This record gives sequence, C-alpha cells and structure tokens, in this order.
Amino acid sequence: QVQLVQSGGEVKKPGSSVKVSCKASGGTFTSYGISWVRQAPGQGLEWMGGIIPMFDTAKYAEKFQGRITLTADESTSTAYMELSSLRSEDTAVYYCARDALYCTTISCSDSYYFDYWGQGTLVTVSS
Amino acid sequence: DIVMTQSPDSLAVSLGERATINCKSSSSNDNYLAWYQQKPGQPPRLLIYWASTRESGVPDRFSGSGSGTDFTLTISSLQAEDVAVYYCQQYYNTPWTFGQGTKVEIK
Repeated sequence: QVQLVQSGGEVKKPGSSVKVSCKASGGTFTSYGISWVRQAPGQGLEWMGGIIPMFDTAKYAEKFQGRITLTADESTSTAYMELSSLRSEDTAVYYCARDALYCTTISCSDSYYFDYWGQGTLVTVSS
Repeated sequence: DIVMTQSPDSLAVSLGERATINCKSSSSNDNYLAWYQQKPGQPPRLLIYWASTRESGVPDRFSGSGSGTDFTLTISSLQAEDVAVYYCQQYYNTPWTFGQGTKVEIK
C-alpha cells in the first residue's frame, strides 16, 4: 500500500522560505513522479510542479518559476518542495501526490494524474 | 494554460438520485482528464482517469464520460458519503490544471 507522509505545519515570515518533505513507502519511488499541489483556504487545487526521481528532472508551473525548487532523495524515498520569497498569498495546504505515470530507464508514460496523495502540510505566512 | 470550467458550482441532490457534474476545457484535452473527490479536511481522492476509467476501489455508481473539450462525472445514485467537492483535472498540457470545483450536497 503506497503511503505519502508529509512533514508538519509551518509558520513563516514574509520573505522567508519553507521546505516541505514527502516520504514515500510501499512503492518503487524512482519509477513514478511526485507532484506538488496547493490549496489556499477555501479555494481550489493548483499544480505547482513535479519531479521524476529516476531522471532527476523537474517541471514547474510558470507562476512559481524562480521561487520553487523540487528535489528527491532516492536513498530515503523522500521528495522535497522548497518555496522562497514567501508572501501572505502563499498561505495554503501543500500536498504531494504521486503521478500515476510509470518510468523505465528509457521513458515515462504520460499518465500525469495523481493516484496517491499526502495528508497535506499547512504553511502559514504571517508577520 | 488550459482553463477548466466546471458547472454547476454547487448542486443539491436527493439521496438515491442522479448527480451530474460538467467540466469544459478551453482547448482539447483528448481524453487526458481525471476526476477527484475531496471531503473536508482530507486530501483529494482519485475517482476517474482517462476520462472514463474508474480507479480501483471506487464504487461503480461513479462514472465518467466525454472527450475533447466536454466531460461529465455522473453519480448514478447519490449516497450520504458522496457529499464532497469534486474537481476535474486535465493532464494534456502543462501546467496541469483543475476545475474550480463543484460542491455536492444532499437535498
């Protein structure tokens, strides 16, 4: 059974950075992708970016380019999302989610929907 | 970016009745479309992918249809546990984008 367990909630000052972790278990970490999706209070879902650990390649939504860094540590099956230059509008629940695509050493399928989700991490940005 | 627009924003359906949620894309997604259910305080749950394939463990009262720009999620006989917000998501072009959500309640 695949599980994604995220780090705990954070309170940050405007202008600072936050790094959220997502530890995977029960599956082959490197064969899938991990995406990050956020949800502001009372709002909808917003895809921020994704990483494929096998190829160490990341894609970012243009909105977050320059502020977001996604990394993955294969040795611990953990993905990380770091967001910098935080502002109040970044207050949200941040989810990691497994991309349903499957990768071989040659290529990945194009199943970029999300079949498993972490429990979410609330990041509050406040002075 | 591909804009996904759901309708209605909310609907109230009697127990045992049909609920229908529409999702329209600003450009063709082929069938690169998923549906999720989100209950309060929980992460989203995958219901449907490739527009009409039901995820393992999802009750068969949930079905998806459509292709191109117009898609539908149908709950054939609404149960109390189906009260939630439902989102569509396209994965045809990055950035992957979601609809704004449709809240389903019991009438």
